[in-house]
Amino acid sequence: DTGVSQDPRHKITKRGQNVTFRCDPISEHNRLYWYRQTLGQGPEFLTYFQNEAQLEKSRLLSDRFSAERPKGSFSTLEIQRTEQGDSAMYLCASSHGGAGVSYEGYTFGSGTRLTVV
Amino acid sequence: DAKTTQPPSMDCAEGRAANLPCNHSTISGNEYVYWYRQIHSQGPQYIIHGLKNNETNEMASLIITEDRKSSTLILPHATLRDTAVYYCILGGSNYKLTFGKGTLLTVNP
Repeated sequence: DTGVSQDPRHKITKRGQNVTFRCDPISEHNRLYWYRQTLGQGPEFLTYFQNEAQLEKSRLLSDRFSAERPKGSFSTLEIQRTEQGDSAMYLCASSHGGAGVSYEGYTFGSGTRLTVV
Repeated sequence: DAKTTQPPSMDCAEGRAANLPCNHSTISGNEYVYWYRQIHSQGPQYIIHGLKNNETNEMASLIITEDRKSSTLILPHATLRDTAVYYCILGGSNYKLTFGKGTLLTVNP
């Protein structure tokens, strides 16, 4: 396992188009997270899955955003009707968590950089 | 709502120890202190975490004051590859980490 993979690395899209990003977590990790990072800021939490269940969504995740993790493996983040303000780095992370599990930290992917023109 | 305060930037000479401070005066009893770093154009990388006791691993040491209101991340022998933004984060469980702006550590040759 080579870590958390994100695809694509870069995406340029026109305003109003839909985009979808994919994240492949570390296979034994049951938790998966999406973050967004704009220039000069730290990553901001978007949403969190434990296995296939989406347990929390940030208020940043407007109705145009949707995330899925079917079968508790890979995850997708879709943005509909993109706006220029959606331009950012979208980061995925995974971890192994639960009762009795010692913390080993998140493993982040390298991110998908979205540019909306 | 950042619950930690870090200097925006610091410099360190290559080979010397880098000591990165973090203030967290409002930390609650069950909150851990986590440190991550982000090298340019990469995702953040977990470094270390602690609750009360000082911790050490192969990457760094974490010193937490007795009152837990501040902590220091120590990179014992900084290299050029340690140049990164370092984030000090509080959390009560291992999800939903809230990142601030962190400290940009520049290691100079």
